[in-house]
Amino acid sequence: GAGVSQSPSNKVTEKGKDVELRCDPISGHTALYWYRQSLGQGLEFLIYFQGNSAPDKSGLPSDRFSAERTGGSVSTLTIQRTQQEDSAVYLCASSSGQTQETQYFGPGTRLLVL
Amino acid sequence: GNSVTQMEGPVTLSEEAFLTINCTYTATGYPSLFWYVQYPGEGLQLLLKATKADDKGSNKGFEATYRKETTSFHLEKGSVQVSDSAVYFCALSDQYGGANSKLTFGKGITLSVRP
Repeated sequence: GAGVSQSPSNKVTEKGKDVELRCDPISGHTALYWYRQSLGQGLEFLIYFQGNSAPDKSGLPSDRFSAERTGGSVSTLTIQRTQQEDSAVYLCASSSGQTQETQYFGPGTRLLVL
Repeated sequence: GNSVTQMEGPVTLSEEAFLTINCTYTATGYPSLFWYVQYPGEGLQLLLKATKADDKGSNKGFEATYRKETTSFHLEKGSVQVSDSAVYFCALSDQYGGANSKLTFGKGITLSVRP
């Protein structure tokens, strides 16, 4: 079946603008993760959704970052008032939600803040 | 907190050479361990995993053994191919996180294989 998809694949924005990144998980996967991949910091966890439970936001770097997951499926990561240090590849992953189940990653959105 | 340390890169090998990529970890409890691979222009893919001590994960000729006594999960392949050129990430997930198996990654290492 279809894998995890993300859009857009690339996004260039100006400093101070807001951006929205979208993730479509694998159908039936209840767990959804956002990670960020940057040159300086490597791969970092941002936020986790599982079913109807409250999300784990412990990895969000600042209050400019937020995420939603509507209907237990599609997720949107929003970055407000973007800064140059937000430039990175934002990766989404999903899994079946069972403990230690494999996470499947999307191709990522490459964000460049000018 | 959890952490994963990978050997410094990049690594350049000739085809058919033996490969070892070192990975050590620090974690509470009994994490699961993973190797992910990122081929040029592609997304992260799971290469192999091991969920408990002494387990050996294997795939595509690659192997790694979960060594609790040395907190290591080194990746090995007996004979690399040009198509193995990629970035390799070691990662762990904390079992005590319950269903939230968020991954902690190492910094990744770039492997280039020459024909």
